[in-house]
Amino acid sequence: DVKVTQSSRYLVKRTGEKVFLECVQDMDHENMFWYRQDPGLGLRLIYFSYDVKMKEKGDIPEGYSVSREKKERFSLILESASTNQTSMYLCASSLSGTSYNEQFFGPGTRLTVL
Amino acid sequence: GEDVEQSLFLSVREGDSSVINCTYTDSSSTYLYWYKQEPGAGLQLLTYIFSNMDMKQDQRLTVLLNKKDKHLSLRIADTQTGDSAIYFCAESRRGGGADGLTFGKGTHLIIQP
Repeated sequence: DVKVTQSSRYLVKRTGEKVFLECVQDMDHENMFWYRQDPGLGLRLIYFSYDVKMKEKGDIPEGYSVSREKKERFSLILESASTNQTSMYLCASSLSGTSYNEQFFGPGTRLTVL
Repeated sequence: GEDVEQSLFLSVREGDSSVINCTYTDSSSTYLYWYKQEPGAGLQLLTYIFSNMDMKQDQRLTVLLNKKDKHLSLRIADTQTGDSAIYFCAESRRGGGADGLTFGKGTHLIIQP
């Protein structure tokens, strides 16, 4: 059974803290993605990676960075958390070379920045 | 730029058909998708349609695609309480598979008994 796991379901951090959100997939997928989900705004792509050590900016990369040192792991980093980064963060992965690019999602991490 | 629009709420009676509508802007999208998000869970691919198709049927689900109007719809026949969820329409960004998806804001499907 395919699986994408995220390190925490709920996280509370303080303004200015450095925050790491971890995502691991066990499907040997090349592509990994980080989205944030906000009420009334849907999902917005933050960053994605199509290979180890490769990264591409999505639609809203400001205030975030990412790291992909191993194929199965994709980390989202908030260098200095701010209250407007309070959100649900969803990680996804997909296999390259398939026709319809199904993305498999993790359960999400709900981050609150105080 | 790319944009996907859908209404935020739809309320239907149990047993009736639900029709969720979506408009998109990127005519180069090869595939269009419907994802389902149940409460407290991540998104799950429900169905997809290739851009050269007009219709796709999968059990209770029917997807209709009007490329001329850039309009996509999802029909759920005999709606059940288990269908209560948020439904997201999505298209591939820049028409490519590895580039992530552009999602609509999601339609909350509410089932009345």
